[in-house]
Amino acid sequence: GQQVMQIPQYQHVQEGEDFTTYCNSSTTLSNIQWYKQRPGGHPVFLIQLVKSGEVKKQKRLTFQFGEAKKNSSLHITATQTTDVGTYFCALMGGSNYKLTFGKGTLLTVNP
Amino acid sequence: NAGVTQTPKFQVLKTGQSMTLQCAQDMNHEYMSWYRQDPGMGLRLIHYSVGAGITDQGEVPNGYNVSRSTTEDFPLRLLSAAPSQTSVYFCASTYREGNYGYTFGSGTRLTVV
Repeated sequence: GQQVMQIPQYQHVQEGEDFTTYCNSSTTLSNIQWYKQRPGGHPVFLIQLVKSGEVKKQKRLTFQFGEAKKNSSLHITATQTTDVGTYFCALMGGSNYKLTFGKGTLLTVNP
Repeated sequence: NAGVTQTPKFQVLKTGQSMTLQCAQDMNHEYMSWYRQDPGMGLRLIHYSVGAGITDQGEVPNGYNVSRSTTEDFPLRLLSAAPSQTSVYFCASTYREGNYGYTFGSGTRLTVV
């Protein structure tokens, strides 16, 4: 089945710095979802991207879907301590809604 | 409150014991899934269901059974627990139509000794 490579695995930043995580696939993706998991918590859905070149924003978070639909990124501007957690990208598999996750990027923020 | 409810939150089993992890949702979601989460491995799909009476295997189904007799419930059965099944288990659900993400339960932390 389809898989995605998510990089980096870990990222430590100073509060106020920007952060970006990337998902890359060798095959064309129909769509991609992003989730956030706080330490000790459960994954929480952030957004779904479907269209080639799509860009969506949620406050300080910017999500992009590549033109070729083979990669996606999540960018956080001016990180805050509340941004700490693991960010996952995930693929929806066709019509059966089977969701496959990348391994995630753990973000830590130094206040 | 509407959502996905998992029980128990914590469980310790002895090797060879069996148990059922419960999952219930009250959002009338058609799709439900079970994941396990291990350090460095991300979330791996165990089993999933696209509706009552329909289930299918995910990436790591061995040692687990599921059934879906109602839309609301999707229990996960461990047949004969092994230490390799020590993990955090998440149940999740979503609608069949629309650009909705999955809603996750709060998880069950299982230790097999």
